[in-house]
Amino acid sequence: DAKTTQPPSMDCAEGRAANLPCNHSTISGNEYVYWYRQIHSQGPQYIIHGLKNNETNEMASLIITEDRKSSTLILPHATLRDTAVYYCIVRPQKAAGNKLTFGGGTRVLVKP
Amino acid sequence: GAGVSQSPSNKVTEKGKDVELRCDPISGHTALYWYRQSLGQGLEFLIYFQGNSAPDKSGLPSDRFSAERTGGSVSTLTIQRTQQEDSAVYLCASSSVALGTDTQYFGPGTRLTVL
Repeated sequence: DAKTTQPPSMDCAEGRAANLPCNHSTISGNEYVYWYRQIHSQGPQYIIHGLKNNETNEMASLIITEDRKSSTLILPHATLRDTAVYYCIVRPQKAAGNKLTFGGGTRVLVKP
Repeated sequence: GAGVSQSPSNKVTEKGKDVELRCDPISGHTALYWYRQSLGQGLEFLIYFQGNSAPDKSGLPSDRFSAERTGGSVSTLTIQRTQQEDSAVYLCASSSVALGTDTQYFGPGTRLTVL
């Protein structure tokens, strides 16, 4: 799987949008960008994934650059409960049996 | 159920005892994974089940670890003769490959403490 690079930490004000960057310059054409998060003492939580088009769901939006070398996860209105470590991963399409590996992630602290 | 469930949520055991951890995947998900996560560390893959295929056991750290999946649904991870280094959070995830991508949904985990 392609390597990703994320800032180690960032702070965000409650109620504001949180924009989390991820670089994946070696991504292959058949690899998806996935985002998970892990709140303290909980299991990882799937957020969103995309291939090349921007995606939005009830949790977040995913913006992927045209060259697919980077992406941004957007939490539109951050709440205190969004404090977590956020992981950006690239994985092959239809990757049955493909083990998830988390890098360092971005530790996001949402402040009141 | 609506999500992946695991039991127990916490397990404290003495060194040398056997433990069983249970995972109930999302209904209809054919793929099931076990991982473990030590304090402050990343995910360590243990084993993968897909339908009726032979499981991928390549991540099991020793022969004290085994897992089975009965009827293509519930899975049990067994650790025999537990050691202190087995202390970790054991996570189960399931996915439906039929939907086109292997999006894995995790359970809350079982925190195992070996004294």
